[in-house]
Amino acid sequence: EVQVLESGGGLVQPGGSLRLSCAASGFTFSTYAMNWVRQAPGRGLEWVSSITDGGGSTYYADSVKGRFTISRDNSKNTLFLQMNSLGADDTAVYYCVKARAPNKVLDAFDMWGQGTMVTVFS
Amino acid sequence: QLVLTQSPSASASLGASVKLTCTLSSGHRSYAIAWHQQLPEKGPRYLMKLHSDGTHNKGDGIPDRFSGSSSGDERYLTISSLQSEDEGDYYCQTWGTGSVLFGGGTKLTVL
Repeated sequence: EVQVLESGGGLVQPGGSLRLSCAASGFTFSTYAMNWVRQAPGRGLEWVSSITDGGGSTYYADSVKGRFTISRDNSKNTLFLQMNSLGADDTAVYYCVKARAPNKVLDAFDMWGQGTMVTVFS
Repeated sequence: QLVLTQSPSASASLGASVKLTCTLSSGHRSYAIAWHQQLPEKGPRYLMKLHSDGTHNKGDGIPDRFSGSSSGDERYLTISSLQSEDEGDYYCQTWGTGSVLFGGGTKLTVL
C-alpha cells in the first residue's frame, strides 16, 4: 500500500526553526518527485516546495524561499522540510505529497499524507 | 501568469449531478490539471488528472460517479448521483516551470 506519513510538527516561537519528516512506503521512492503543501486554518491549499526524484532540483513558493529547505534521503525513503525564521503566517497543517508519475519534474499530486500541524506562537 | 480560478461555492440536491469548473488563465489552455477532494476535517484526496483533451486518470478507488472533461481553458469535475458524503471542498491543481498552483477551492454543499 502506498503511504506517506509526516512527523515533526509542533509549537514554535516566531523566528524559530522546525524540521518536518515524511516517511514513504509502498512505492519506489527514489523515482518520484515529492512535495510539501500547507493549509492554514480555514484556508485553501498552498504549495510550499517540490524536489525531483534524485534530489538534484528543488523548487519553492515565493512565500518560503530563502527560509525553507526541502531535501530527501532516498536510502531511507524519507523526505524533509527544514523551516527557519518561522512566522505566524507559517502556521498551518503541512502535507507530504507524492507526484503521480515517476521521473517527472512536476506533476499531479496523487498521494497525500495525513498532515502535521505547525503552530507559530508568541 | 498561471492562475486557476474556481467558484467559491456550489450546491446541488441529493441524487442529482453537479459540475464544478476550474478555469486556466489566458495562454494556458493546453495545461493538464488535477482534481482533489477534501472532506470536512480530513486531508485532501486525489481524484484525477485531467488533460486538455478531456482524457483523465482517476485515482485508485474513485467511484465512476466522478468524471472529468475539458473545453478550451476550462476543466470540469462532474459528480453524479450526489451523496451526502460528497460534501466538502474541491481543489484543482496545475504545474508549470518550477512551480505548482492550486485554485482557491469550491465548497460543495449537498442539499
